[in-house]
Amino acid sequence: QSVLTQPPSVSGAPGQRVTISCTGSSSNIGGGYDVHWYQQLPGTAPKLLISGNSNRPSGVPDRFSGSKSGTSASLAITGLQAEDEADYYCQSYDSRLSGSVFGGGTKLTVL
Amino acid sequence: QVQLQESGPGLVKPSETLSLTCTVSGGSISSYYWNWIRQPPGKGLEWIGDIYYSGSTNYNPSLKSRVTISVDTSKNQISLKLTSVTAADTAVYYCARSEVGGSYSYWGQGTLVTVSS
Repeated sequence: QSVLTQPPSVSGAPGQRVTISCTGSSSNIGGGYDVHWYQQLPGTAPKLLISGNSNRPSGVPDRFSGSKSGTSASLAITGLQAEDEADYYCQSYDSRLSGSVFGGGTKLTVL
Repeated sequence: QVQLQESGPGLVKPSETLSLTCTVSGGSISSYYWNWIRQPPGKGLEWIGDIYYSGSTNYNPSLKSRVTISVDTSKNQISLKLTSVTAADTAVYYCARSEVGGSYSYWGQGTLVTVSS
């Protein structure tokens, strides 16, 4: 059971908008620690998608955006494309565990 | 461009020690935290621990009694040792570099380690 909770799966049609939630607690997201998001295509290493709650690294399309509020964070993907089909993970720091924690991952299916 | 490459045995027997090395090229190990992260087949990501280039370490409490992470700055390498392995330790093992703020910006391609007799 992951410290950060994500829905196992989400889906959307091409062109639509989807959001993926990441729920934590006062010892991680709610404690002010940054949330980061990763995209993992099949058979590849995770790729940093959003850092520091809402910052896109160079090369990441602006269709991807992140936000954080209270003990939760969200990743939004607009203008859904077939190439966005992947697993998405959130990550933060947990003060009770004194280390990094990941969400369980969300599989995005583009219909 | 910073590149990370994991290497080590792909098969380890139960109760033995898993040993992996991550070689960093295209940049220095200095001034960064370096992490080991693993992913069992079909499952999510699990942080194993990290090491600062100076040698200070942090470990996942669930693995702390079995894990040792070390750094060799002269070779630009980070190493992982996990003792007393079981089938539950079968996973793809990644090394990754932490940035200020805690995100993992650079990842190795990962190496699959299977624990089996």
